[in-house]
Amino acid sequence: NAGVMQNPRHLVRRRGQEARLRCSPMKGHSHVYWYRQLPEEGLKFMVYLQKENIIDESGMPKERFSAEFPKEGPSILRIQQVVRGDSAAYFCASSPEQGSESPLHFGNGTRLTVT
Amino acid sequence: SQQGEEDPQALSIQEGENATMNCSYKTSINNLQWYRQNSGRGLVHLILIRSNEREKHSGRLRVTLDTSKKSSSLLITASRAADTASYFCATVSSNDYKLSFGAGTTVTVRA
Repeated sequence: NAGVMQNPRHLVRRRGQEARLRCSPMKGHSHVYWYRQLPEEGLKFMVYLQKENIIDESGMPKERFSAEFPKEGPSILRIQQVVRGDSAAYFCASSPEQGSESPLHFGNGTRLTVT
Repeated sequence: SQQGEEDPQALSIQEGENATMNCSYKTSINNLQWYRQNSGRGLVHLILIRSNEREKHSGRLRVTLDTSKKSSSLLITASRAADTASYFCATVSSNDYKLSFGAGTTVTVRA
């Protein structure tokens, strides 16, 4: 049973370009969370999605950032017109159900570098 | 905002020794979870302790929770080089479902 798959592992973008990060949750998991991690820091919640629905986007900047989890295919985190401050590791996690006792299964992250 | 704060920020120990790290949090919680992150990898869930539990064991891991002090500790006994990683506590607030992570403790186990 494959774990959470994120791609690409590393992504380099110039300022002003778009970054698209993909996440395929574990088989049977319909809940996806995106977190951002800056160097030497913990993970900051960005957005929580279920299939075709954004449940909670309270941690995601209102401008330039968007997320989706379509009926078919991976969840996508899109960052438009990237700036240097967007450089970070972006982690996706999935769980089989919503609930405070459902541990999250994390992918290995996408490391975004904006030059 | 960050809920959990780990202490110390970094810890270096000899193989075979025990490693203890602490986590403090601010609000009432449903449960507290510990995760491990190896360099360049995602987080791996280690253990979950509910708000009505005081202590929990899993292999060489021992977790305590003191809700009156809003703190938790993670003890790794008989450490191994493979335990070298960053350890994060994460809490789920009573009126929420999503995890809030602390900044982590980086543990280095010297062979």
